Amino acid sequence: AQSVAQPEDQVNVAEGNPLTVKCTYSVSGNPYLFWYVQYPNRGLQFLLKYITGDNLVKGSYGFEAEFNKSQTSFHLKKPSALVSDSALYFCAVRDGPGSARQLTFGSGTQLTVLP
Amino acid sequence: EAQVTQNPRYLITVTGKKLTVTCSQNMNHEYMSWYRQDPGLGLRQIYYSMNVEVTDKGDVPEGYKVSRKEKRNFPLILESPSPNQTSLYFCASSSRQGANTGELFFGEGSRLTVL
Repeated sequence: AQSVAQPEDQVNVAEGNPLTVKCTYSVSGNPYLFWYVQYPNRGLQFLLKYITGDNLVKGSYGFEAEFNKSQTSFHLKKPSALVSDSALYFCAVRDGPGSARQLTFGSGTQLTVLP
Repeated sequence: EAQVTQNPRYLITVTGKKLTVTCSQNMNHEYMSWYRQDPGLGLRQIYYSMNVEVTDKGDVPEGYKVSRKEKRNFPLILESPSPNQTSLYFCASSSRQGANTGELFFGEGSRLTVL
């Protein structure tokens, strides 16, 4: 069985400071990992993914995520937060190759960037 | 513009009154799916379709029906809605390749309230 956990419901950070949104996962094989962002009254948008290769993955809007196999984590990061980054962020995981049907989403983390 | 369009965006109905939420995509995607989003639970998959006339249950299919008669459309049908189906619903689509890598395009959501 696969699962994903986002331990923080809410993250607050000051504009210009670095931000981290945490995600841990559990799979039996090799994980496929994803981050999606949901702006108010909008659908989810794909940010980035890790399938294989470099542990540091770069995505849209200056976001990046670091895959750490030993800690089973895939934390989302950005060096300098913007107020416009305020949104709901979802981590998702799949146990190896397959289809999007098999994605498991976390419960989401609300990021608020304070001016 | 590439998009996934859901209608209605907002709906208040009463228990037992059949309703349909439509979903249409203009990207010629093979894969389509419905999710519901509830606070603290993230996104849970209701039904998905790998192609025309091919549909299958997701994690929470009870009380829902779908059909895929055309490639672009994937309506979600609630034959007899109940209050526990009050939720925010998202339709998503993907190409065959995108489905294999987990990159989904989401609609803007339909907020349903069942009284």
